[in-house]
Amino acid sequence: EAGVAQSPRYKIIEKRQSVAFWCNPISGHATLYWYQQILGQGPKLLIQFQNNGVVDDSQLPKDRFSAERLKGVDSTLKIQPAKLEDSAVYLCASSLDRVYEQYFGPGTRLTVT
Amino acid sequence: KQEVTQIPAALSVPEGENLVLNCSFTDSAIYNLQWFRQDPGKGLTSLLLIQSSQREQTSGRLNASLDKSSGRSTLYIAASQPGDSATYLCAVGTNAGKSTFGDGTTLTVKP
Repeated sequence: EAGVAQSPRYKIIEKRQSVAFWCNPISGHATLYWYQQILGQGPKLLIQFQNNGVVDDSQLPKDRFSAERLKGVDSTLKIQPAKLEDSAVYLCASSLDRVYEQYFGPGTRLTVT
Repeated sequence: KQEVTQIPAALSVPEGENLVLNCSFTDSAIYNLQWFRQDPGKGLTSLLLIQSSQREQTSGRLNASLDKSSGRSTLYIAASQPGDSATYLCAVGTNAGKSTFGDGTTLTVKP
């Protein structure tokens, strides 16, 4: 069974630029999560999708972050414009349904200079 | 608001030792609790998932327990090996599937 795929693995941008991350969850998984992990901390939930609908985006900085999940499969997370404090690893995870085990992708390491 | 704490932040033990990692949470109204392992520069690997109705789960040398009433979970690792060196994270989940993570315990097992 293929795992959660993410791209790119690394990205370096200057502040005020925009960036997008892509996630392909495990086939058949209805729930998809985007997390932000700052060095030395645990992952913080940014947004949770159930199929192609948003379940929770209470911690998503909506003035600069946006996310979508087209057709309930792949998802993209965008930051526009980026700030220095957005430097972090962005992790995508999926689960069969809301309360099932979560499986994580390798993450995208973003550096904003 | 749920808060999850993992103490200590770092732990170093000699190979072969049995050890316990701790996870505490403030709101006992959880649906499940999941333990993960994270290697440097990598994503998270699921180790064990405990439902709120369960007291413990076992996988190989790992045993996780859950005490909802006291807001605590422990991960027991038997006969530790250098390959167990990693950061261990716990996450508590609601019935809506929302998870709150602790900041992890970084374990070093010395040969």
